[in-house]
Amino acid sequence: DGGITQSPKYLFRKEGQNVTLSCEQNLNHDAMYWYRQDPGQGLRLIYYSQIVNDFQKGDIAEGYSVSREKKESFPLTVTSAQKNPTAFYLCASSIARGTQPQHFGDGTRLSIL
Amino acid sequence: SQQGEEDPQALSIQEGENATMNCSYKTSINNLQWYRQNSGRGLVHLILIRSNEREKHSGRLRVTLDTSKKSSSLLITASRAADTASYFCATDSGANSKLTFGKGITLSVRP
Repeated sequence: DGGITQSPKYLFRKEGQNVTLSCEQNLNHDAMYWYRQDPGQGLRLIYYSQIVNDFQKGDIAEGYSVSREKKESFPLTVTSAQKNPTAFYLCASSIARGTQPQHFGDGTRLSIL
Repeated sequence: SQQGEEDPQALSIQEGENATMNCSYKTSINNLQWYRQNSGRGLVHLILIRSNEREKHSGRLRVTLDTSKKSSSLLITASRAADTASYFCATDSGANSKLTFGKGITLSVRP
């Protein structure tokens, strides 16, 4: 079955530590996205990538970094510069740039130790 | 920046009743999409309506779009307990087709 896999489901970060969230898709989608969801809030776009080796900042990119070396993979690193990282992180993909529905993974919940 | 805003914020109904949720937005759009999110899970795409469409149906779902009022509504008919979830509208209004999500509506369907 095709889909998006996010791992781990739960992640804990110590002060001053960088952590990386994994996102893999086998849908053969060109576009991938990272969102942050806080309680009672909608999704806010962190980074997106329309094609391999290319990505753009979203609305809240500060303190985050991404890479897109393979079509299937779009990992997100939460750096120590992100002072309030506790949130639910969602990865999504869509067929291509354009008017398309997005398919979501089941998220990673990041907490501070 | 918030584009879509849903109304009401929370809705509680009895199983079998219809649920109507509304979404308003500020700028012109290419399309508007509705998503469902079960607790602790990712979002699931429900339906997409383009700016030149006025109404779409999918099973028990009916979506309307009024571009003159910049608003959309999602109707779930004959609701079931399994429909209990948060529902989000998302608008696509830019050249990069980024989606902008509202804060969501929490729907509770009582058995």
